[in-house]
Amino acid sequence: EAQVTQNPRYLITVTGKKLTVTCSQNMNHEYMSWYRQDPGLGLRQIYYSMNVEVTDKGDVPEGYKVSRKEKRNFPLILESPSPNQTSLYFCASSFAGGAPDTQYFGPGTRLTVL
Amino acid sequence: KQEVTQIPAALSVPEGENLVLNCSFTDSAIYNLQWFRQDPGKGLTSLLLIQSSQREQTSGRLNASLDKSSGRSTLYIAASQPGDSATYLCAQTGGTSYGKLTFGQGTILTVHP
Repeated sequence: EAQVTQNPRYLITVTGKKLTVTCSQNMNHEYMSWYRQDPGLGLRQIYYSMNVEVTDKGDVPEGYKVSRKEKRNFPLILESPSPNQTSLYFCASSFAGGAPDTQYFGPGTRLTVL
Repeated sequence: KQEVTQIPAALSVPEGENLVLNCSFTDSAIYNLQWFRQDPGKGLTSLLLIQSSQREQTSGRLNASLDKSSGRSTLYIAASQPGDSATYLCAQTGGTSYGKLTFGQGTILTVHP
């Protein structure tokens, strides 16, 4: 089944404790992206990757890191999480002939930073 | 900076009505525009994608149009059903970077029997 998977689905952590949220897709998509969704602010792009070893900042990259060493995986790293990073996080992927095509979203990761 | 606005923020209609959701974008250098559906507590599901060279796309009861000159897209839902109740979001791809997607805040649609 074609899908985007995220792990964990739910995470409660404390300020400053490094964490990684994994994202994997099995559709051989070039493009992958991370978003956060907050009430009143909607969905905002954190980072995106047009292909392996090619990443770029979205609108809200501060406090996050990403890497794209393999085509199927695009982990999101929070080196020192803070309470303002409490949010619902989504990973998405798509083909990218010239630009991202139809986006396929993962189920989301609900992160709480205490 | 790209901005995407959706009107109305919420809409409640009786079953069977035809309805229109609106999406406005400020950046004319659009590459494509996508419409998504989000059910409570779930991820987003893509409904339609319109390339900048196209004017509309159709899928079943859904029709999306794109007018680059006015910076507007509409999603038309025919013969609405209670199962259509969800949040509908539009997203613009393009502008300063092909990889950037900018989402609107969404329209919460409720279709009551």
